[in-house]
Amino acid sequence: GQQLNQSPQSMFIQEGEDVSMNCTSSSIFNTWLWYKQDPGEGPVLLIALYKAGELTSNGRLTAQFGITRKDSFLNISASIPSDVGIYFCAGRTLGGATNKLIFGTGTLLAVQP
Amino acid sequence: GAVVSQHPSRVICKSGTSVKIECRSLDFQATTMFWYRQFPKQSLMLMATSNEGSKATYEQGVEKDKFLINHASLTLSTLTVTSAHPEDSSFYICSARDTSGGADTQYFGPGTRLTVL
Repeated sequence: GQQLNQSPQSMFIQEGEDVSMNCTSSSIFNTWLWYKQDPGEGPVLLIALYKAGELTSNGRLTAQFGITRKDSFLNISASIPSDVGIYFCAGRTLGGATNKLIFGTGTLLAVQP
Repeated sequence: GAVVSQHPSRVICKSGTSVKIECRSLDFQATTMFWYRQFPKQSLMLMATSNEGSKATYEQGVEKDKFLINHASLTLSTLTVTSAHPEDSSFYICSARDTSGGADTQYFGPGTRLTVL
């Protein structure tokens, strides 16, 4: 199936550092969602973006919907050990009856205390 | 956020048997639910879209006769893996679409780990 390009694939950082990851697509999306998945669990919704240019924060997390509607980024400030996990972006295309999500390939984040 | 449950959380079965997985939206009604499969160290791959009161829409390459989906109510969708084989072993995750309050998001269940011996 179709997937978004997400980068980086993995990040190994020190506690307290800031983190940035992004997703790009060849298609235009009308919605971008960011999820975090812990091992053996389902993804948990972090931030939802609905308008081009929209910048939304959720605690230490900030995400933006790119102006071109083909990209989005997620920033995590002052990382802590519990930020460890896999982060996925997901986009929903314009139109279509099913409104299904297309997922990014994921970014594995490791935080060293 | 909204809560979606899945049952069972893990199941081990013999090859050739059928397994049913339930997905429930606990605090909102979902006319649309989705079923994903995730292999180790990979992203989520959509298998099918489950629509309440109508037939499911399957993604290319997913056998509809093997993965039976029923969405009989606004809060429950079931996935039945028929005649399971070891290659069907995977992490199956459902999600429910929430369009209440002007939003349009998907909330995921905790997943079901299927192991076929």
